Amino acid sequence: QSVLTQPPSVSGAPGQRVTISCTGSSSNIGAGYDVHWYQQLPGTAPKLLIYGTTNRPSGVPDRFSGSKSGTSASLAITGLQPVDEADYYCQSHDSSLVNYVFGSGTKVTVL
Amino acid sequence: QVQLVQSGAEVKKPGASVKVSCKSSGYSLTNYAIHWVRQAPGQRLEWMGWIDEGTDKTRYSQKFQGRVTITRDTSASTSYMELSSLRSEDRAVYYCARGNYFDSAGYYFDYWGQGTLVTVSS
Repeated sequence: QSVLTQPPSVSGAPGQRVTISCTGSSSNIGAGYDVHWYQQLPGTAPKLLIYGTTNRPSGVPDRFSGSKSGTSASLAITGLQPVDEADYYCQSHDSSLVNYVFGSGTKVTVL
Repeated sequence: QVQLVQSGAEVKKPGASVKVSCKSSGYSLTNYAIHWVRQAPGQRLEWMGWIDEGTDKTRYSQKFQGRVTITRDTSASTSYMELSSLRSEDRAVYYCARGNYFDSAGYYFDYWGQGTLVTVSS
């Protein structure tokens, strides 16, 4: 089982706002470790979307934003577009495992 | 521009070993760590281990400890991941990724290789 838990899927109509949650524990997100997010289009390598919980790399649209509270983090996509259909993964550090851990992944569908 | 280019697909028999390469360009391998992540079909990403940018120190996931070895050749700008005692459950796409250090979060992975499919079959 994943150390970081995400909903298997979320969906929304074009233009809508969707959020993806990433629930951890006191040994990872709750310990104060930042969260990073990746987008994976079908058949391709993951792409960095958000780093340090809230920061967007150059070239990532500002429609994507991240936040964190307690033992959970969230990725929000506003103005949903068909090109956003992909799998999304959160990632953090876990002090009990002394490892880097990924979330279970969320498939975003644009209706 | 930064690129990580991996070696091609591999087919191995159970019990064998596989060694995947990852050639970096557009930056110096001595300035960034390299991490290895795998993804079984339809499954989540799974972190395997990393090699430090300055010291060659390695750290591995407990799950793969004893079976995985990560090395690098800085003169060739290439990193390697070798996985031994392969079993059918090791069938996955293996990715290398550049590790960028971020305070209070360790590394995040800002550039990824294209992936290498490893199939284990008798």
